[in-house]
Amino acid sequence: EVQLLESGGTFVQPGGYLRLTCTASGFTFSSYAMAWVRQAPGKGLEWVASVSYNGADTQYTESVRGRFTISRDNSKSTVSLQMGGLRDEDTAVYYCAKVLQPRRISTPYFDYWGRGTLVTVSS
Amino acid sequence: QSALTQPASVSGFPGQSITISCTGTSSDVGGYNSVSWYQQYPGKAPKLMIYDVNNRPSGVSTRFSGSKSGNTASLTISGLQADDEADYYCCSFASSNTQAFGGGTRLTVL
Repeated sequence: EVQLLESGGTFVQPGGYLRLTCTASGFTFSSYAMAWVRQAPGKGLEWVASVSYNGADTQYTESVRGRFTISRDNSKSTVSLQMGGLRDEDTAVYYCAKVLQPRRISTPYFDYWGRGTLVTVSS
Repeated sequence: QSALTQPASVSGFPGQSITISCTGTSSDVGGYNSVSWYQQYPGKAPKLMIYDVNNRPSGVSTRFSGSKSGNTASLTISGLQADDEADYYCCSFASSNTQAFGGGTRLTVL
C-alpha cells in the first residue's frame, strides 16, 4: 500500500525558514517524480514544486522560485521542501504527492497524496 | 502563472449528468493534452479522477469522463450520486514546465 507521510509543518514568523519532509513507502520510490502541492485555508489547490525521480531536475511555481528548494533522498525514500523568506501568503496545508507515471516529471498527474502538514506564517 | 477558470459551483439531482468546465489558454489547456481532474472532500486529500484529458485511473467509476475542446477541458459526471458531492479541480501542464490548477468547483447534489 502506497503511503506518504508529511512532517515539519508548524507556526513560523514572516521571513523565517522551515523544512518539510515527506516519507514514502509501498512503491519503488526511486522510479517516480514527486511534488508538493499546497492549499491555503478555504482556498484551492496550488502546485508548488516537483523533483525528478533521480533528483537531477526540479521545477517551481513562480511565487516560490528562489525561496523554496525541493530535494529528495532515494536511499531514505524521502522528499523535502526547504522553505525560506516565508510570507503570510505561504500559509497553507502542504501535500506531498506522487507522480502517476514512472520517470516523468512534467506532468499534472498525482495519483497518491499524503494527508498534508499545516504551515502557518504569521507575526 | 494564472489559475485555470472553473465555475465556483454546479449542482444537479441524483441520476442527472453535470459538466464542469475548465478554461485556460493556448499556453496550458489548449497547448497540451495534459489535463487531469481531482475530487476532494472537505478536510481530505485530493483524489485523481481523470488524466491525459480522458483516461481514468484504475478504480475510478466509469461515470466520470473527461474531454477537451480548444482551451477548455470538461469533466462530466453521469448518473449523479450523493457521494459525488465534493470539490473538483482541474489541472494542466503549462509552458515553462509548470502545472496550473483551476480555482475549484463545488458540486452539490440536490
